Amino acid sequence: EVQLVESGGVVVQPGGSLRLSCAASGFTFDDYAMHWVRQAPGKGLEWVSLISWDGDSTYYADSVKGRFTISRDNSKNSLYLQMNSLRIEDTALYYCAKDIVGVGATFVDYWGQGTLVTVSS
Amino acid sequence: QSALTQPASVSGSPGQSITIPCTGTSSDIGFYNYVSWYQQHPGKAPKLMIYEVSNRPSGVSNRFSGSKSGNTASLTISGLQAEDEADYSCSSYTSSSTLVFGGGTKLTVL
Repeated sequence: EVQLVESGGVVVQPGGSLRLSCAASGFTFDDYAMHWVRQAPGKGLEWVSLISWDGDSTYYADSVKGRFTISRDNSKNSLYLQMNSLRIEDTALYYCAKDIVGVGATFVDYWGQGTLVTVSS
Repeated sequence: QSALTQPASVSGSPGQSITIPCTGTSSDIGFYNYVSWYQQHPGKAPKLMIYEVSNRPSGVSNRFSGSKSGNTASLTISGLQAEDEADYSCSSYTSSSTLVFGGGTKLTVL
């Protein structure tokens, strides 16, 4: 059974930094590209970032480019999102999500339960 | 990277059919067949219901179907049931090698 478990969400002040983690199990982690997708309270889903199976290719939404960095450690079956220069509008539930291919993106087939990031002074 | 366009809400009575449209551009829905649909109950993670425009994952009811015409994809739910009440979001691959989601549609079963 595919499991994605996010952690690291907390309350942080504007301008602060945070690192989210996602522990993956139930599938061969290093075969697949992975995404971060977020959902602000009461809002729709927003794609944030994508990383290829080997970490060589990364992509970002314009709203986070230059502030967020996606990475992975295949030896630990883990995905990360380093979030810097946080803004109030980054407040959201952040989901770790699995693609069906290793390079590029097609669609998400599995989602974690999410970790809540609140940016507030 | 503008979001795909969905109606904020739709409703239907049990047993009826409803269709949720999702409009994009020639850089996403109009060009690629990587359109997917997700169901999300309150407080829960999204669940994949349709992938590659019209394919259903194993375990998803055949009451759910998907289609595409030009820049617009659609999700149809037939024989509405109370448990179908949820938020539904569409997604597409884009020419920027990214994903884009719709704003979500709240389905109310009357």
